[in-house]
Amino acid sequence: EDQVTQSPEALRLQEGESSSLNCSYTVSGLRGLFWYRQDPGKGPEFLFTLYSAGEEKEKERLKATLTKKESFLHITAPKPEDSATYLCAVPMDSNYQLIWGAGTKLIIKP
Amino acid sequence: SAVISQKPSRDICQRGTSLTIQCQVDSQVTMMFWYRQQPGQSLTLIATANQGSEATYESGFVIDKFPISRPNLTFSTLTVSNMSPEDSSIYLCSVDVGRTGELFFGEGSRLTVL
Repeated sequence: EDQVTQSPEALRLQEGESSSLNCSYTVSGLRGLFWYRQDPGKGPEFLFTLYSAGEEKEKERLKATLTKKESFLHITAPKPEDSATYLCAVPMDSNYQLIWGAGTKLIIKP
Repeated sequence: SAVISQKPSRDICQRGTSLTIQCQVDSQVTMMFWYRQQPGQSLTLIATANQGSEATYESGFVIDKFPISRPNLTFSTLTVSNMSPEDSSIYLCSVDVGRTGELFFGEGSRLTVL
């Protein structure tokens, strides 16, 4: 069964304290992995697409990496404005509809 | 990219009534998606709305409960019918402009059913 699991559910960091969020997936033929950011009361905002193991994408303090079984979203020296829920999603085996993880709620304390 | 406007942004409704959510996109798109996000949970696809054809509903969602209209390439509506408290949720519309899986979302409509 296609599945996406994110960990941890919530992560509290001090400003400047780097860490990583995990997204593990089980689909037989990966056709992309997507990271989104969602602020409270808003719709998700697209961040990255990764297509193959070893690929990396960066945007400001965020870097997404991909292996054959999981993806990491590394956050370096985070700021309070990085606080949000981070969602990952992959297309299903049978079609291109996305399977979404439950998200990681990231809280950066000043 | 795409800019998506949803209305209403939030509403409080009585049990048994119906509410229609509107989604307007600033460009023409083939496929529009309606999602539900229950408190503290991830996104669940309700249906895919294609212009000129019937919407395609996911398992657990039926047309009588969630009728969808797609009159043109920039607009869609989702109606939540005969509401119960279990329908309290955020409803989101989204589009895939480049058909790449990179979705753009509206701000969401937060629905509370009493």
